Order: sequence, then C-alpha cells, then structure tokens
Amino acid sequence: GENVEQHPSTLSVQEGDSAVIKCTYSDSASNYFPWYKQELGKGPQLIIDIRSNVGEKKDQRIAVTLNKTAKHFSLHITETQPEDSAVYFCAASRLGTGGFKTIFGAGTRLFVKA
Amino acid sequence: KAGVTQTPRYLIKTRGQQVTLSCSPISGHRSVSWYQQTPGQGLQFLFEYFSETQRNKGNFPGRFSGRQFSNSRSEMNVSTLELGDSALYLCASSLDSRNTEAFFGQGTRLTVV
Repeated sequence: GENVEQHPSTLSVQEGDSAVIKCTYSDSASNYFPWYKQELGKGPQLIIDIRSNVGEKKDQRIAVTLNKTAKHFSLHITETQPEDSAVYFCAASRLGTGGFKTIFGAGTRLFVKA
Repeated sequence: KAGVTQTPRYLIKTRGQQVTLSCSPISGHRSVSWYQQTPGQGLQFLFEYFSETQRNKGNFPGRFSGRQFSNSRSEMNVSTLELGDSALYLCASSLDSRNTEAFFGQGTRLTVV
C-alpha cells in the first residue's frame, strides 16, 4: 500500500546548527508534499510545501528539496533555535479533481539544545 | 478569521459505546479531512469530504464514518468503541479539494476505557 517513511525518528542538534529530515514515498502519483510542525497540545501546522513540478523551495531558514525520480524529499532547517523544537511530519498527497488523500510520515522529534 | 474548531476537546467513553466528534472548518473552506493520531501509528488519514460528499477514504473499518453538512461543518462517528480507538482525532480544512494548504484544528482527545 501507499506509505511514507521518515527518518530520523529523533534528532537532537545544538542551537545554530542545521537539521535535516528525510522522507521517501511510494505512490508515484503523489504530486504535493507538505511539511507540518506540531507542538505539544496543538494540531499540526503547515510550515512549507512543495509541488512535484518544483525541485526546491526556500522560506527563510527552512528549505525543502524533492527528487521525484528517487521519490525522496527532505526538510532542511538552518540556524536552528530552541523554538524549533517540536515534532515534524512530512506527507505525500495526490491532489486532483477527485479530492485528495494525504499519507503522513511517522514524525521526527526535533530537540534544539540552547 | 477563526481557525478550525473541534469539539469536544476531551472525551472519555466506555468500550462498546459510540461517539460523535464535530469539526467546524474555517469560514469559506469546503474541504474537510479527518485523521487519527496515535503514538504507535502516527497520523492516519480517515476520510475527506467536499460539498457534503466523501471523496476519499483511508483504511479504517466501517465503524468509522463521517458526514458533512451544507455549511461545510463535519462530524465523524465511531460506533462500538474499542480500547484501540483511543487517540487524538484531528480535522483539517482546505479551501477546496484541490487547494493545497490544510489548516488543522487542535483535535479531540478520545479515551476509551
């Protein structure tokens, strides 16, 4: 079946360092790849997304890359800050006129040490 | 504008009972999707509704059902509750079924005892 694998499950970095989270998806029809940040007691919040016709997208300290051939996509956070500590989820979605179905990765718990 | 509102925030039910959870999307949003979040299984897609029609469904048993009303508000129902149904149930709304950005509510934490 369709699935998204996400690594690592836990990541601990020093403040100011970079953090990289990687995901692999199985459904070749997926065309939209959002990343969500979830803080304790809150629902996931979209932080960045990328469509299948784009290879890279950047928004300030956050960037996402997509390798459609290899079915890999990654989240890069530079100059990490303690407030970046949260659980991050990648997802793969197939958008179309028939609605969408989103498959999430298992999540990465990021700790940023001050 | 108001975000996605889910009610109730917390719920405790007994095995065998049934439960109904409610989700009010952002005003103007017509697509609502539901997810189950557990520590062991992560975020799993339940179903998506658009204009009162279920467009997509995840791999959950028939005990899990939902509906959407003409004002886009959505409810999900779980019948014959099992201990394993204990989870955080999240609802997300999007402008329409092709629009990309989904906004999540804070979820309903269901505990089955």
